[in-house]
Amino acid sequence: DAKTTQPNSMESNEEEPVHLPCNHSTISGTDYIHWYRQLPSQGPEYVIHGLTSNVNNRMASLAIAEDRKSSTLILHRATLRDAAVYYCILRVYNNNDMRFGAGTRLTVKP
Amino acid sequence: DTAVSQTPKYLVTQMGNDKSIKCEQNLGHDTMYWYKQDSKKFLKIMFSYNNKELIINETVPNRFSPKSPDKAHLNLHINSLELGDSAVYFCASSQVGGTSGGHNEQFFGPGTRLTVL
Repeated sequence: DAKTTQPNSMESNEEEPVHLPCNHSTISGTDYIHWYRQLPSQGPEYVIHGLTSNVNNRMASLAIAEDRKSSTLILHRATLRDAAVYYCILRVYNNNDMRFGAGTRLTVKP
Repeated sequence: DTAVSQTPKYLVTQMGNDKSIKCEQNLGHDTMYWYKQDSKKFLKIMFSYNNKELIINETVPNRFSPKSPDKAHLNLHINSLELGDSAVYFCASSQVGGTSGGHNEQFFGPGTRLTVL
């Protein structure tokens, strides 16, 4: 399985943008890049996903490097509610097998 | 309306007991999962059922037995509980295939914290 590498932790100030990096140098052509987050004492929730092009939704943006070996999750204005562990996951098309790594613990300071 | 629900939320029991955790989803999904999150917070998939058929069965002890009476339910039964079974167990569901373009977003329940004494 292709693996991802993320920093263990990051800090941000409230209302500032946050860029969460993810390296996936062994990504294959059929791997989608998914991001989930886990708020304290809750189950993980979907954030965004992409294949090659950058993606935007109401929660975040996903910037994917041209060679697809890395990606960045962008929270445009961090709020205290965005404090969570963020997981970058590679998934083969239509495959329901999802492998979580250690993720990045994001702390948002007021 | 709760999309994926689990009962109980907390479960405290003695070693050697048998216990069950129930999961229900009202999203009409065809695939359900069980994950285990240990004390180090690593989240690992245990089982996956598609249309009541087992499709993923990771290396978990056979004391763990998932049971899917219908597409909307996937219960987890654990025999002869051990101290190492203490963890938070999450149920999830998704719709595989269709027009999701491989998206296959998984919806997670709130978790069941199991403590084995």
